[in-house]
Amino acid sequence: SQQGEEDPQALSIQEGENATMNCSYKTSINNLQWYRQNSGRGLVHLILIRSNEREKHSGRLRVTLDTSKKSSSLLITASRAADTASYFCATDARSGGSNYKLTFGKGTLLTVNP
Amino acid sequence: DVKVTQSSRYLVKRTGEKVFLECVQDMDHENMFWYRQDPGLGLRLIYFSYDVKMKEKGDIPEGYSVSREKKERFSLILESASTNQTSMYLCASRELGAQYFGPGTRLLVL
Repeated sequence: SQQGEEDPQALSIQEGENATMNCSYKTSINNLQWYRQNSGRGLVHLILIRSNEREKHSGRLRVTLDTSKKSSSLLITASRAADTASYFCATDARSGGSNYKLTFGKGTLLTVNP
Repeated sequence: DVKVTQSSRYLVKRTGEKVFLECVQDMDHENMFWYRQDPGLGLRLIYFSYDVKMKEKGDIPEGYSVSREKKERFSLILESASTNQTSMYLCASRELGAQYFGPGTRLLVL
């Protein structure tokens, strides 16, 4: 079952602009994560935000989490052509016992034009 | 750095063949996962394992089985490949919340 849903499905911007992607989810979570996937490759973990955190930064990335609205956003500042990729949010919820599994959204395809 | 490797980047098999996809991680992670990724459907969890010889069904286990005989290796088995199993298969291992993915195996079943 899909938990996170990214919005928009696709985003095209110019180099130097900021890119914002949103993620909504339905059930309680332990944490929410963002991943990046370059075309035809595996996913790379970008950042993790716990359910008791509201904002987190990592380099040019800023993630916010609003558990009351069950939503998160990923902001990439001063984008570069190399940021072109698909971005996925993944929600981490208890699957049983102490084991957690991630449920991924369908992703946002970001294109950064030089 | 965590390294997750998958046995093949590209694989072509015929309908009815038994297919083994191998995944190895080098960081002593307990949790390992198999996903398939299809256009418009995103990543879907097939099976995961939280310890040697332990396995748990994901969201779409039908037509698949798994094997975890050693901690570092998690195998996905297609007992009798079908054309609807043509997909990108991604393996991951997990530590401290984050998952680390292999490069993926693109499987074509003819």
